[in-house]
Amino acid sequence: EDQVTQSPEALRLQEGESSSLNCSYTVSGLRGLFWYRQDPGKGPEFLFTLYSAGEEKEKERLKATLTKKESFLHITAPKPEDSATYLCAVLAGYGGATNKLIFGTGTLLAVQP
Amino acid sequence: GAVVSQHPSWVICKSGTSVKIECRSLDFQATTMFWYRQFPKQSLMLMATSNEGSKATYEQGVEKDKFLINHASLTLSTLTVTSAHPEDSSFYICRAKPQRAGRAEADFGSGTRLTVV
Repeated sequence: EDQVTQSPEALRLQEGESSSLNCSYTVSGLRGLFWYRQDPGKGPEFLFTLYSAGEEKEKERLKATLTKKESFLHITAPKPEDSATYLCAVLAGYGGATNKLIFGTGTLLAVQP
Repeated sequence: GAVVSQHPSWVICKSGTSVKIECRSLDFQATTMFWYRQFPKQSLMLMATSNEGSKATYEQGVEKDKFLINHASLTLSTLTVTSAHPEDSSFYICRAKPQRAGRAEADFGSGTRLTVV
């Protein structure tokens, strides 16, 4: 069964304290791994898509990396405005028919000033 | 960038009434729209997938007679929660996939918080 697991469930950091969030997955036919940021009461905001092991993408203080079984979202010198829930999702399946995203339960990040 | 508008952002309704939620793609055509439900501290659960002009495909365990989905145009999909009950209270989010090929980053709406009292 396709599965996406995120850890930790919650993370509290001091401003400037770098850390990483983990997303491990077991799926058949990875077609893409997505990272989203979700603020309370809002829909997910797209951050990155990674397609193959070894791929890395960066945006401001965030960098996402991908291996064959997991992805990391590295946060460098975080600021309070980085506080949010970070969701990982996997697009899986062979062929062109499916566009079903499988989501993890997210990591709630709190950055304290 | 692609924008998906979802309305209303929150709604409170009485048990037994129906509520309609709209999802619009503002600057692109969406052949496929997805509807998700999210409970507190839980993952987004796909409810159904709708393709413009055809019937929606519902996920296992989702009552199609209770959650009516209409995707009548390339820019609008609606989710109607019929005869709502308190257990239907949740956060509902739509996601729209652009028509053009190769774009995997389908965009989410801003979500609708439904509270049934």
